[in-house]
Amino acid sequence: AQSVTQLGSHVSVSEGALVLLRCNYSSSVPPYLFWYVQYPNQGLQLLLKYTSAATLVKGINGFEAEFKKSETSFHLTKPSAHMSDAAEYFCAVSGGYNKLIFGAGTRLAVHP
Amino acid sequence: GAVVSQHPSWVICKSGTSVKIECRSLDFQATTMFWYRQFPKQSLMLMATSNEGSKATYEQGVEKDKFLINHASLTLSTLTVTSAHPEDSSFYICSARDPTGGQADTQYFGPGTRLTVL
Repeated sequence: AQSVTQLGSHVSVSEGALVLLRCNYSSSVPPYLFWYVQYPNQGLQLLLKYTSAATLVKGINGFEAEFKKSETSFHLTKPSAHMSDAAEYFCAVSGGYNKLIFGAGTRLAVHP
Repeated sequence: GAVVSQHPSWVICKSGTSVKIECRSLDFQATTMFWYRQFPKQSLMLMATSNEGSKATYEQGVEKDKFLINHASLTLSTLTVTSAHPEDSSFYICSARDPTGGQADTQYFGPGTRLTVL
């Protein structure tokens, strides 16, 4: 069975600082992994996805994530945080029957 | 990217009434749509998988008679909350699966519907 663990329910960074949001997965088959962002009272927007091609995946808004099989990780990074990056971020793994298994989410706060 | 819409964006209803929420894929055909429920400051909980032309598949613990799902076309799925009660108040989000990505099909999410039952 697939599962996702997001370490840190809240992350706070200064504007311009590195953003690192952690995601570890468990999967019995080669996983497909996703990062979504959710702004208040809105649905989820796809940031990027890993589909077993390149291990370093670049997404929208300057975000990227690296798939590390040995560490079962898919951490999300951005070199320089903007105020507009403040949101809830969800890591997800594709389970059976095309279902998505979501992590608990990480709320990112960006301070001036 | 693919666009999914939901209607209404918010609804307030009296206890005992039924509420219908629509989910549409605007620029692609979605054979599969998903309905999620999200409580404040929590993750998404999958309620059911909606398959075009067939019955929905409900997750364990979700009452199929209370949450009626219809997927009559490749671009529209509806969720009807029947005999709504205050505990049904929540944020309901749908997603539509874009079938062109092979096994790595991406789910595109609607903007959500805030349901408040008085």
